[in-house]
Amino acid sequence: QVQLQESGPGLVKPSETLSLTCTVSGGSISSGDYYWTWIRQHPGKGLEWIGYIYYSGSTYYNPSLKSRVTVSLDTSNNQFSLKLNSVTAADTAIYYCVRRSRVDFAFDIWGQGTMVTVSS
Amino acid sequence: QSALTQPASVSGSPGQSITISCTGTSSDVGGYNLVSWYQQHPGKAPKLMIYDVSNRPSGISNRFSGSKSGNTASLAISGLQAEDEADYYCSSYTSSSTYVFGTGTKVTVL
Repeated sequence: QVQLQESGPGLVKPSETLSLTCTVSGGSISSGDYYWTWIRQHPGKGLEWIGYIYYSGSTYYNPSLKSRVTVSLDTSNNQFSLKLNSVTAADTAIYYCVRRSRVDFAFDIWGQGTMVTVSS
Repeated sequence: QSALTQPASVSGSPGQSITISCTGTSSDVGGYNLVSWYQQHPGKAPKLMIYDVSNRPSGISNRFSGSKSGNTASLAISGLQAEDEADYYCSSYTSSSTYVFGTGTKVTVL
Protein backbone atom coordinates (compact mmCIF):
# COMPACT_ATOMS: atom_id res chain seq x y z
CA GLN A 1 0.00 0.00 0.00
CA VAL A 2 1.64 3.22 -1.18
CA GLN A 3 1.64 6.05 1.33
CA LEU A 4 2.84 9.63 1.11
CA GLN A 5 3.90 11.79 4.06
CA GLU A 6 4.76 15.48 4.00
CA SER A 7 7.34 17.01 6.32
CA GLY A 8 8.83 20.45 6.83
CA PRO A 9 8.54 23.68 8.83
CA GLY A 10 5.06 24.79 9.77
CA LEU A 11 6.11 28.45 9.96
CA VAL A 12 8.05 30.42 7.37
CA LYS A 13 8.95 34.10 7.42
CA PRO A 14 7.87 36.42 4.60
CA SER A 15 10.37 36.66 1.72
CA GLU A 16 12.03 33.38 2.73
CA THR A 17 11.84 29.97 1.04
CA LEU A 18 9.22 27.36 1.89
CA SER A 19 10.72 23.86 1.73
CA LEU A 20 8.74 20.65 2.05
CA THR A 21 9.61 17.01 1.54
CA CYS A 22 7.33 14.10 0.70
CA THR A 23 8.43 10.60 1.69
CA VAL A 24 6.95 7.80 -0.39
CA SER A 25 6.58 4.37 1.19
CA GLY A 26 5.32 1.12 -0.28
CA GLY A 27 6.42 1.96 -3.82
CA SER A 28 9.31 3.37 -5.80
CA ILE A 29 9.46 7.00 -6.80
CA SER A 30 11.52 5.89 -9.80
CA SER A 31 8.53 4.13 -11.33
CA GLY A 32 7.66 5.48 -14.74
CA ASP A 33 3.98 5.00 -14.01
CA TYR A 34 3.49 8.13 -11.89
CA TYR A 35 4.01 11.85 -11.64
CA TRP A 36 4.82 13.21 -8.19
CA THR A 37 2.72 16.25 -7.43
CA TRP A 38 2.23 19.14 -5.04
CA ILE A 39 -1.22 20.65 -4.48
CA ARG A 40 -2.19 23.28 -1.93
CA GLN A 41 -5.36 24.49 -0.27
CA HIS A 42 -5.70 27.93 1.24
CA PRO A 43 -7.61 27.93 4.56
CA GLY A 44 -11.29 27.38 3.87
CA LYS A 45 -10.71 27.57 0.12
CA GLY A 46 -10.38 25.32 -2.90
CA LEU A 47 -7.51 23.26 -4.29
CA GLU A 48 -4.65 24.67 -6.34
CA TRP A 49 -2.30 22.56 -8.44
CA ILE A 50 1.32 23.64 -7.91
CA GLY A 51 3.22 21.28 -10.15
CA TYR A 52 4.72 17.83 -10.60
CA ILE A 53 7.80 15.92 -11.58
CA TYR A 54 8.29 12.72 -13.54
CA TYR A 55 10.95 10.13 -12.70
CA SER A 56 12.99 11.41 -15.67
CA GLY A 57 13.22 14.82 -14.02
CA SER A 58 10.74 16.56 -16.30
CA THR A 59 8.74 19.17 -14.42
CA TYR A 60 5.46 20.99 -15.03
CA TYR A 61 4.36 24.00 -13.01
CA ASN A 62 1.32 26.19 -12.49
CA PRO A 63 2.01 29.29 -14.62
CA SER A 64 0.98 31.55 -11.74
CA LEU A 65 3.70 30.06 -9.50
CA LYS A 66 6.28 28.99 -12.06
CA SER A 67 8.77 31.79 -11.35
CA ARG A 68 8.98 30.81 -7.65
CA VAL A 69 8.59 27.02 -7.64
CA THR A 70 11.00 24.10 -7.89
CA VAL A 71 10.00 20.44 -7.53
CA SER A 72 12.80 17.90 -7.33
CA LEU A 73 13.38 14.17 -6.81
CA ASP A 74 15.65 12.38 -4.33
CA THR A 75 15.57 8.80 -5.57
CA SER A 76 18.10 7.55 -3.03
CA ASN A 77 15.68 8.39 -0.21
CA ASN A 78 12.48 7.79 -2.21
CA GLN A 79 11.42 11.39 -1.65
CA PHE A 80 10.42 14.42 -3.66
CA SER A 81 10.50 18.04 -2.58
CA LEU A 82 8.91 21.42 -3.04
CA LYS A 83 10.67 24.76 -2.80
CA LEU A 84 8.68 27.98 -3.05
CA ASN A 85 10.70 31.14 -2.73
CA SER A 86 9.86 34.73 -1.84
CA VAL A 87 6.79 33.65 0.12
CA THR A 88 4.08 36.00 1.35
CA ALA A 89 1.02 35.57 3.54
CA ALA A 90 -0.83 34.48 0.39
CA ASP A 91 1.22 31.28 0.43
CA THR A 92 -0.25 30.24 3.78
CA ALA A 93 -2.00 26.96 3.02
CA ILE A 94 -2.22 23.23 3.57
CA TYR A 95 0.27 21.59 1.22
CA TYR A 96 -0.42 18.07 -0.05
CA CYS A 97 1.95 15.73 -1.82
CA VAL A 98 0.06 13.56 -4.25
CA ARG A 99 0.62 10.76 -6.75
CA ARG A 100 -0.72 11.18 -10.28
CA SER A 101 -1.14 8.18 -12.51
CA ARG A 102 0.65 8.48 -15.85
CA VAL A 103 -2.17 6.61 -17.56
CA ASP A 104 -5.28 7.92 -15.83
CA PHE A 105 -4.17 11.53 -15.31
CA ALA A 106 -5.86 11.54 -11.90
CA PHE A 107 -4.52 12.22 -8.43
CA ASP A 108 -5.06 8.85 -6.82
CA ILE A 109 -3.07 8.86 -3.59
CA TRP A 110 -2.75 11.87 -1.28
CA GLY A 111 -0.62 12.62 1.76
CA GLN A 112 -2.42 13.85 4.86
CA GLY A 113 -1.30 17.42 4.18
CA THR A 114 0.82 19.82 6.18
CA MET A 115 -0.17 23.34 7.21
CA VAL A 116 2.36 26.04 6.42
CA THR A 117 1.89 29.54 7.79
CA VAL A 118 3.82 32.51 6.43
CA SER A 119 4.28 35.04 9.19
CA SER A 120 7.00 37.06 10.85
CA GLN B 1 -5.84 29.62 -15.94
CA SER B 2 -9.23 30.20 -14.34
CA ALA B 3 -10.82 27.79 -11.90
CA LEU B 4 -13.59 25.58 -13.21
CA THR B 5 -17.05 26.73 -12.13
CA GLN B 6 -19.06 24.62 -9.68
CA PRO B 7 -22.19 25.49 -7.69
CA ALA B 8 -21.27 26.57 -4.15
CA SER B 9 -23.73 24.18 -2.56
CA VAL B 10 -26.09 21.33 -3.37
CA SER B 11 -28.38 19.56 -0.95
CA GLY B 12 -30.67 16.57 -0.89
CA SER B 13 -32.52 14.25 1.44
CA PRO B 14 -31.31 10.74 2.22
CA GLY B 15 -32.06 8.39 -0.66
CA GLN B 16 -32.40 11.16 -3.21
CA SER B 17 -30.11 11.84 -6.15
CA ILE B 18 -28.12 15.00 -6.74
CA THR B 19 -25.89 16.30 -9.52
CA ILE B 20 -22.90 18.63 -9.33
CA SER B 21 -21.82 20.49 -12.45
CA CYS B 22 -18.32 21.59 -13.42
CA THR B 23 -18.00 24.09 -16.24
CA GLY B 24 -14.78 24.92 -18.03
CA THR B 25 -13.67 25.72 -21.55
CA SER B 26 -12.61 23.95 -24.71
CA SER B 27 -9.03 24.20 -23.41
CA ASP B 28 -9.73 22.00 -20.43
CA VAL B 29 -13.00 20.16 -19.73
CA GLY B 30 -14.22 20.30 -23.30
CA GLY B 31 -10.92 19.38 -24.87
CA TYR B 32 -10.05 16.20 -23.01
CA ASN B 33 -11.77 13.25 -21.35
CA LEU B 34 -9.51 13.83 -18.37
CA VAL B 35 -11.90 15.16 -15.74
CA SER B 36 -11.68 13.77 -12.22
CA TRP B 37 -13.71 14.29 -9.07
CA TYR B 38 -12.58 14.42 -5.45
CA GLN B 39 -14.45 14.14 -2.15
CA GLN B 40 -13.11 15.97 0.88
CA HIS B 41 -14.43 15.59 4.41
CA PRO B 42 -13.55 18.31 6.95
CA GLY B 43 -9.95 18.12 8.09
CA LYS B 44 -9.15 15.30 5.69
CA ALA B 45 -7.24 15.01 2.44
CA PRO B 46 -9.25 14.79 -0.79
CA LYS B 47 -10.16 11.34 -2.10
CA LEU B 48 -10.41 10.36 -5.77
CA MET B 49 -13.98 9.38 -6.66
CA ILE B 50 -14.08 9.51 -10.48
CA TYR B 51 -11.34 9.68 -13.12
CA ASP B 52 -11.34 10.08 -16.90
CA VAL B 53 -14.85 11.59 -16.75
CA SER B 54 -16.73 8.44 -15.77
CA ASN B 55 -14.46 5.76 -14.31
CA ARG B 56 -14.60 4.73 -10.67
CA PRO B 57 -11.47 3.61 -8.80
CA SER B 58 -11.62 0.30 -7.02
CA GLY B 59 -13.62 0.57 -3.81
CA ILE B 60 -15.74 3.55 -4.81
CA SER B 61 -19.49 2.96 -4.59
CA ASN B 62 -21.43 2.72 -7.84
CA ARG B 63 -23.74 5.37 -6.39
CA PHE B 64 -21.19 7.81 -7.77
CA SER B 65 -21.13 8.39 -11.52
CA GLY B 66 -19.61 10.92 -13.88
CA SER B 67 -20.42 12.29 -17.30
CA LYS B 68 -19.54 15.12 -19.66
CA SER B 69 -21.24 17.17 -22.33
CA GLY B 70 -19.29 19.85 -24.15
CA ASN B 71 -17.47 22.06 -21.67
CA THR B 72 -19.44 20.83 -18.65
CA ALA B 73 -18.76 17.71 -16.60
CA SER B 74 -21.11 16.36 -13.96
CA LEU B 75 -20.93 14.18 -10.88
CA ALA B 76 -24.10 12.37 -9.87
CA ILE B 77 -24.68 10.82 -6.46
CA SER B 78 -27.64 8.49 -6.16
CA GLY B 79 -29.17 7.08 -2.98
CA LEU B 80 -27.73 9.97 -0.98
CA GLN B 81 -26.32 8.94 2.40
CA ALA B 82 -25.22 10.93 5.45
CA GLU B 83 -21.60 9.96 4.77
CA ASP B 84 -21.77 11.70 1.38
CA GLU B 85 -21.91 15.08 3.11
CA ALA B 86 -18.60 16.67 2.12
CA ASP B 87 -16.95 19.09 -0.27
CA TYR B 88 -16.52 17.95 -3.86
CA TYR B 89 -14.00 19.24 -6.38
CA CYS B 90 -13.63 18.59 -10.08
CA SER B 91 -10.32 18.79 -11.88
CA SER B 92 -9.27 18.80 -15.51
CA TYR B 93 -6.08 18.45 -17.49
CA THR B 94 -5.53 21.46 -19.76
CA SER B 95 -4.08 22.27 -23.16
CA SER B 96 -1.07 23.83 -21.39
CA SER B 97 -0.17 20.46 -19.82
CA THR B 98 -1.28 21.81 -16.46
CA TYR B 99 -4.22 21.11 -14.17
CA VAL B 100 -7.09 23.24 -12.99
CA PHE B 101 -9.51 22.54 -10.16
CA GLY B 102 -13.09 23.55 -9.68
CA THR B 103 -14.31 26.08 -7.15
CA GLY B 104 -15.76 23.33 -4.99
CA THR B 105 -19.28 22.30 -3.99
CA LYS B 106 -20.53 21.67 -0.48
CA VAL B 107 -22.98 18.79 -0.41
CA THR B 108 -25.44 18.80 2.46
CA VAL B 109 -27.60 15.83 3.36
CA LEU B 110 -30.80 17.22 4.84
